[in-house]
Formats: sequence, C-alpha cells, structure tokens
Amino acid sequence: GAGVSQSPSNKVTEKGKDVELRCDPISGHTALYWYRQSLGQGLEFLIYFQGNSAPDKSGLPSDRFSAERTGGSVSTLTIQRTQQEDSAVYLCASSLSGQPQHFGDGTRLSIL
Amino acid sequence: GENVEQHPSTLSVQEGDSAVIKCTYSDSASNYFPWYKQELGKGPQLIIDIRSNVGEKKDQRIAVTLNKTAKHFSLHITETQPEDSAVYFCAAFGSSNTGKLIFGQGTTLQVKP
Repeated sequence: GAGVSQSPSNKVTEKGKDVELRCDPISGHTALYWYRQSLGQGLEFLIYFQGNSAPDKSGLPSDRFSAERTGGSVSTLTIQRTQQEDSAVYLCASSLSGQPQHFGDGTRLSIL
Repeated sequence: GENVEQHPSTLSVQEGDSAVIKCTYSDSASNYFPWYKQELGKGPQLIIDIRSNVGEKKDQRIAVTLNKTAKHFSLHITETQPEDSAVYFCAAFGSSNTGKLIFGQGTTLQVKP
C-alpha cells in the first residue's frame, strides 16, 4: 500500500512480557517517528530516525523502551517487561526530510 | 520546555455553522504548524499546515491563521458537515530541529445534523 503500515493492529499481553511493534514507512521516506497516545490524550513523542544519523531518543520514557530501524526502512519498537501504564496506542509516522509527517493507524497495546 | 495548549477540549456546532479551534505554543523558534484530524480507530490525518513565513492559508472549507507575535494559531472550519466530526490536534515543530512535533491535547468536534 501507499501509506504507513503498522502491525499488529492490536496486541494484548501480560504484565512483565516483552512486546515488539512494527512500522513500515512510506517508500522513500527518510524520516521515521514513534509517538504514544494514551486514552483521550494527545500524542507524546518517543523517538525519531533521520537517514543514517543517530536517532533522537529523548522521548523514550524509560530504559525498557528501545527502537531500531533496519536498512533505513522498517522500524521496530520494543518494550521490555511491560507494565500496565504502557497500555496505549503506539503510532508511527514517516516523512521526507522537512516535509509533513504521515501517520499509520497505530498498534493498540493492552497490558493485563 | 516546549508546550502546545489547545482549546476548547470539546466543541459542538450545528451543521452549517463555523468551528474555530485555537492553539498557543511556547517556543518562539517554532516554524511549522500542522493540523491533524483523527477518526475513531484511525491514525491522525494531516488536513492543513502553515509555515511561519505566512499568516494565513486556506483549503476549501478549512483555513489556518498564525500570529507569531502572540504565538497563537487557529483552525477555522466553515459550513461544517457531520463528517467533520472527529478529534482535531494542533502541533508545532520543536526548535531543536529534530523533527519531533509537539501536540496539543486535542479537540473533539461534534457537528449535529
């Protein structure tokens, strides 16, 4: 497809488990972003990748969160030892450098 | 730190009326201001944006105005339709030039037929 694709669309897991969320950006987009949206809230920046530069990790809430972007395309956000407060919608966006960000539909993560 | 305030949190209008949503930002170096529409279960969709070198931009029924001196920007929707009902978010580019957007808390717009 032409848009940003995220998988899975929904994920339910038990507290303490690790989870991996995947983002396929729009082809050719050099920048990729992860945001978190808690129920009824705005979007909270997590991490930003731009080309081959070191990522901006300033929004990651704890060291349980990490992300990587392989080959400048697909990205994976990993949350280790999940906690109930990690429950949220995780949104990925991509863009050309300096251009508007386009979002996927997100992964709805529920921690039991 | 960087902050974006958005008002109102909810807005209800009659079909055909206008709707206005206002945002203020804290970082005077911010230079890009997009607006997103989010429908239930979907990701935010860009509807209009404005850069700091212009004061107003229009696209059919949607317009955005920017007052850099006051650090305000607003979304105006005219002739509202029921399909305009959604959550609207304003955002501002952070001054650190990392590309991250700082989002407002969102406005739930309901257009009553």
